Amino acid sequence: ELVQSGGGWVQSGGSLTLSCAVSGFSVSNNYMSWVRQAPGKGLEWVSVIYGDGNTYYADSVKGRFTVSRDNANNTLSLQMHSLRPEDTAMYYCARDIIDAFMDDWGQGTMVTVSS
Amino acid sequence: VLAQPPSVSVAPGKTASITCEGNNIGSNSVHWYQQRPGQAPVLLIYYNDDRPSGIPERFSGSKSGNTATLTISRVEAGDEADYYCQLWDSINDQRVFGGGTKLTVL
Repeated sequence: ELVQSGGGWVQSGGSLTLSCAVSGFSVSNNYMSWVRQAPGKGLEWVSVIYGDGNTYYADSVKGRFTVSRDNANNTLSLQMHSLRPEDTAMYYCARDIIDAFMDDWGQGTMVTVSS
Repeated sequence: VLAQPPSVSVAPGKTASITCEGNNIGSNSVHWYQQRPGQAPVLLIYYNDDRPSGIPERFSGSKSGNTATLTISRVEAGDEADYYCQLWDSINDQRVFGGGTKLTVL
């Protein structure tokens, strides 16, 4: 199970951190992704962290977002800086099966960036 | 870029086909998700044509050349949802989603 927290409202240029608490499997042994969905729009992949700790980002967030994990607490985080109105979206964490698909998703958490 | 039709309509009991086109589909596996309104996506098909446990056999996937297809047989009212294709772009190490298709059951 993936339980998300940390969404909310922030002004443009601000920062926010999302969390994803995982139970049933270990984040340290799995790839974990973040996916977002702007209101009324489709899914957009944001970031992934591999089991070895390597991270990758969509071009739209590179340099502004940082994905990390806390192995001891089995949680995934997404630090978001320099937020823009176009970052407004529902953000989902998901278990990412190696270089393939996402088979388990969190419930989502809404981020609203006001200009 | 993965291209999907924005919408597909089908009568109950009939078969719906949703396509996903892209230049990199031929060399990559395609996966499909169903997203009902207000809910998180659910994995529907993986590795082109495999179904996770719990997904009805009415849902099937196929791929030919640069086109992947999700087929839903004997469509039910509860299948009304958005459907997304997705693949892993190995060159850029990114996951890519199609734009999504809204399935309407008439």
